[in-house]
Amino acid sequence: GAVVSQHPSWVICKSGTSVKIECRSLDFQATTMFWYRQFPKQSLMLMATSNEGSKATYEQGVEKDKFLINHASLTLSTLTVTSAHPEDSSFYICSASSGTNTYEQYFGPGTRLTVT
Amino acid sequence: RKEVEQDPGPFNVPEGATVAFNCTYSNSASQSFFWYRQDCRKEPKLLMSVYSSGNEDGRFTAQLNRASQYISLLIRDSKLSDSATYLCAVNNDYKLSFGAGTTVTVRA
Repeated sequence: GAVVSQHPSWVICKSGTSVKIECRSLDFQATTMFWYRQFPKQSLMLMATSNEGSKATYEQGVEKDKFLINHASLTLSTLTVTSAHPEDSSFYICSASSGTNTYEQYFGPGTRLTVT
Repeated sequence: RKEVEQDPGPFNVPEGATVAFNCTYSNSASQSFFWYRQDCRKEPKLLMSVYSSGNEDGRFTAQLNRASQYISLLIRDSKLSDSATYLCAVNNDYKLSFGAGTTVTVRA
């Protein structure tokens, strides 16, 4: 149980284009989903927290107009990187929490984004 | 000061050895603590939660020291398959803060 998928697993895009990453909870309803970014040899950094049906809460320093998050249903959240630049190249990982034990988060397999 | 800090290692140990490492956290009000394992270019996977009384899961033992604000992980009888990066995570207000990870390499 508690399986989270992400799509795509990797993507290469050109500077200036937008990329959408999907995060799905496959066997449970995720009241809260989290988006992280991880640069090589660094820790996962929380970008934003999203609750189904409401606006995402962004961490300090994360541009909400650049990283658009939508959590339209209890099983799907999307992150859109708009006008991507090479410095946005990173490993993006989502996690989901069922709300029954909100301390536990189940991670998706991550999306490796390369912006050329 | 970073919210969560770990010794990056690497810890290179032979099979069968015991390896232990710590993670310190800055927020004394932190509510819960976890150890995750992350393999290269993969997502973190929950290894174990860390309870106040300490807990053990097979060859893995986790301890929490609230007074000194650190958690520890000990791996006994190391296997080659234990080679990975171990991330500690601290929960504050339902958000996880991660350390940068401690790399463990077990050699034959």
